[in-house]
Amino acid sequence: AQTVTQSQPEMSVQEAETVTLSCTYDTSESDYYLFWYKQPPSRQMILVIRQEAYKQQNATENRFSVNFQKAAKSFSLKISDSQLGDAAMYFCAYDTGANSKLTFGKGITLSVRP
Amino acid sequence: ETGVTQSPTHLIKTRGQQVTLRCSSQSGHNTVSWYQQALGQGPQFIFQYYREEENGRGNFPPRFSGLQFPNYSSELNVNALELDDSALYLCASSSLFGGETQYFGPGTRLLVL
Repeated sequence: AQTVTQSQPEMSVQEAETVTLSCTYDTSESDYYLFWYKQPPSRQMILVIRQEAYKQQNATENRFSVNFQKAAKSFSLKISDSQLGDAAMYFCAYDTGANSKLTFGKGITLSVRP
Repeated sequence: ETGVTQSPTHLIKTRGQQVTLRCSSQSGHNTVSWYQQALGQGPQFIFQYYREEENGRGNFPPRFSGLQFPNYSSELNVNALELDDSALYLCASSSLFGGETQYFGPGTRLLVL
């Protein structure tokens, strides 16, 4: 079974600084999909970024980028120029591609200091 | 474009009762997945519906059941509620299954007393 591990329960970053959130996963598949979702206190899960495992290029979305290391099964999220609105819980998630069953990590709470 | 909506937003039930949660998928999406999120945890996959058929199920007992309607909206039914069923229930829709981005609704907070 696939597992997703987020070992850091909490992180804090100064506004305008850069922070990296870690995620590792375990799978025997060669093709799969990885996601980072953000869940603010409002509870709605919002997609941050998506990575296809067969693509070597790391995905980027404005201030958000990933460092995808397939051999190491590592998928970290970098947030540049952190803003107060980035404060939320962040979940790393894995999809085998066979169906849309997302396997989530336990999440990391990010706080942003003004 | 209308996003994923869920109703109700909050619900309080007592142990042994039955509950129905509802989800309207995003326009153009034919796949709906349901997740249970306990406090302080990541969501856990309950099941998925694609074109009105169940298309995968997580490790949840049969008292968790669902439906998908021709307009692709969906229901989650839970019978014989237990205290541990207290959680946030999230619905997500996608245009297909298999790696497609899932878009989540705001969730239904269920409290079982």
